[in-house]
Amino acid sequence: AQSVAQPEDQVNVAEGNPLTVKCTYSVSGNPYLFWYVQYPNRGLQFLLKYITGDNLVKGSYGFEAEFNKSQTSFHLKKPSALVSDSALYFCAVRDYGNKLVFGAGTILRVKS
Amino acid sequence: NAGVTQTPKFRVLKTGQSMTLLCAQDMNHEYMYWYRQDPGMGLRLIHYSVGEGTTAKGEVPDGYNVSRLKKQNFLLGLESAAPSQTSVYFCASSYSSGGQETQYFGPGTRLLVL
Repeated sequence: AQSVAQPEDQVNVAEGNPLTVKCTYSVSGNPYLFWYVQYPNRGLQFLLKYITGDNLVKGSYGFEAEFNKSQTSFHLKKPSALVSDSALYFCAVRDYGNKLVFGAGTILRVKS
Repeated sequence: NAGVTQTPKFRVLKTGQSMTLLCAQDMNHEYMYWYRQDPGMGLRLIHYSVGEGTTAKGEVPDGYNVSRLKKQNFLLGLESAAPSQTSVYFCASSYSSGGQETQYFGPGTRLLVL
């Protein structure tokens, strides 16, 4: 079965510093990988996805993610964090039947 | 274009009561999904539908039923609510395939079962 793991429950970063939220995956076949963000009391919002092609994927709000096949990772990155980036971030992988399997989530706290 | 909407936003039930959560989407998506979100467990798929009139079980289907009578609506029912069903429920929808698998989520329904 397809699965993703987010090894950090929480990531703390100072405003203006680069941020990384980690995700590793386990799949059979080619992975379709996604990042979503959830702000307090809101639904999930799509950030970006990797289907095929360039290993560096650019998404919404200045986020990007690097697909690394040898390390089976899909880490979310941003060059300069904003306080408004503070939220809960989910990595997900497509399962058969167009379903998504989500990681447990990582809380990102950006302090000014 | 409202996207995905959910009704109600919040509900309190007593153990044994029943209720139906309504999800509606105006994007003409074929696929619709119901998830529950619990702390530290991410989102878990309850049921999903690949088209009008079809439904299938997800990861945690027990205690829930669904119906997709119209393409734009996906209903989640709890026949006899239990405290373990206290959760936040999210509906999502997507196109079927071909790289269009991005799921679009509703704002969620908070359910408390006493």
